[in-house]
Amino acid sequence: QSVLTQPPSASGTPGQTVTISCSGSSTNIGSNYVNWYQHLPGAAPQLLIYTNSYRPSGVPDRFSGSKSGTSASLAISGLQSEDEADYSCAAWDDSLSGWVFGGGTKLTVL
Amino acid sequence: QVQLVQSGAEVGKPGASVKVSCKTSGYTLTDNYMHWVRQAPGQGLEWMGWINPYSGATKYTQKFQGRVTMTRDTSTVYMELSSLRPDDTAVYYCARGNGYCTGGSCWFDPWGQGTLVTVSS
Repeated sequence: QSVLTQPPSASGTPGQTVTISCSGSSTNIGSNYVNWYQHLPGAAPQLLIYTNSYRPSGVPDRFSGSKSGTSASLAISGLQSEDEADYSCAAWDDSLSGWVFGGGTKLTVL
Repeated sequence: QVQLVQSGAEVGKPGASVKVSCKTSGYTLTDNYMHWVRQAPGQGLEWMGWINPYSGATKYTQKFQGRVTMTRDTSTVYMELSSLRPDDTAVYYCARGNGYCTGGSCWFDPWGQGTLVTVSS
């Protein structure tokens, strides 16, 4: 049972915009930054969004992150087949004094 | 470029120990904390702890206290998990933190390719 809650799956057609949610509490998302990781099949997880909404160099601007209260969202616009992957949110938890993750959302491009 | 290359898959018996290595290149090991994260089959990612490669100081999440040991040498970081149980079967990742950051303003980048540890008698 993951501390952060994500929908287990999401889907969209090429060109669409898909949004993945991440719900937490006052001790994690509510008081700390959120990061997002993309996990392509057979590859290592990769940093996709850090500090709520910043993209590392090389990440297309089709990916955007936001945070409000105890929830965060990852939006992917102009969906492409290569976006098919697992997406996980993460945040520091002040109560647990450690990093917590969401259970991951498997994105399917139809 | 920065690379983290992990050791190969391991099979361990219940009660035994396993040691996973993470060889770094492309940066100075002592400039960043290294974290370990695992993912059991069908489960989400789970943070295990970090090591400060400069001082050797470590912080382990309570769940793994007493069972995990993180160490380092010149260019490699190690994670040893003892008293293995079947539910320790997972892919274990090393992941570099951004500098000496601990806590809320940190992120992990890059990650190693993962090491599958299977616990089976």
